[in-house]
Amino acid sequence: DGGITQSPKYLFRKEGQNVTLSCEQNLNHDAMYWYRQDPGQGLRLIYYSQIVNDFQKGDIAEGYSVSREKKESFPLTVTSAQKNPTAFYLCASTEDRANNEQFFGPGTRLTVL
Amino acid sequence: GENVEQHPSTLSVQEGDSAVIKCTYSDSASNYFPWYKQELGKGPQLIIDIRSNVGEKKDQRIAVTLNKTAKHFSLHITETQPEDSAVYFCAASISNFNKFYFGSGTKLNVKP
Repeated sequence: DGGITQSPKYLFRKEGQNVTLSCEQNLNHDAMYWYRQDPGQGLRLIYYSQIVNDFQKGDIAEGYSVSREKKESFPLTVTSAQKNPTAFYLCASTEDRANNEQFFGPGTRLTVL
Repeated sequence: GENVEQHPSTLSVQEGDSAVIKCTYSDSASNYFPWYKQELGKGPQLIIDIRSNVGEKKDQRIAVTLNKTAKHFSLHITETQPEDSAVYFCAASISNFNKFYFGSGTKLNVKP
C-alpha cells in the first residue's frame, strides 16, 4: 500500500522544547514538502526538498529545521525559537519536476502547553 | 512570487444544487492547477487537476475550467451530496519548480 505516513497524529510539547515530526513516503517520490495549517486558513510552506541532501526554505521557515538524508524520509523539527508552534502540520510529496501531482499525508496536530 | 486568491470563503447549498468555487492567480508562468478536498482533521486529497494546455476537465460530478488569459480557474460540483461537505483548496504551480501556492480555502456545506 503506497502512501505518505506522518507520526504521531497528536503531539504535545512543553514550551521551550524542541520536537521532531516524522514524515515517510514509499511512493519513490523525489520532492517532499512541509506545510503549516492554522484554523480556518490555507497552507503555508515551511520547507521543501527536491532531492536527497538538499532542501530550501519556504515562506515561514523561521523556527523550523529539516533534513533529507534518505529519499523516503523528511523529518521536521520545531524548535523553541518558533514563537507560535501550535498548528496542524502536513507533509506532502510529488514524483518529480515534470509530474508534479502533490499528495498529502494525514497530518500531525502539535499543541504547545 | 505567485499569489492565489480563492472565493467564496464559505458556501452553503441545498443537496442536489451545484456549487462553484473560483480562484485567481497572478503568475502567468503557472501551468498546473490542482483542487483538493480536506475533511476535518485529515490531510487534503487531490480531487481534480488541470494543466494549462486544456481549458476544461471533467470527472463525473466534478469539473474544472481554466481561463489563462484572465488567470482564473474554477471548480464546479454538480448534484451536490452531503458527503461533499468539506473545505476545498485550489493551488497553482509551475512545472520544474515544484513549488505550490494555495488559496485560503472554501468551506462547503451541503444541506440535506
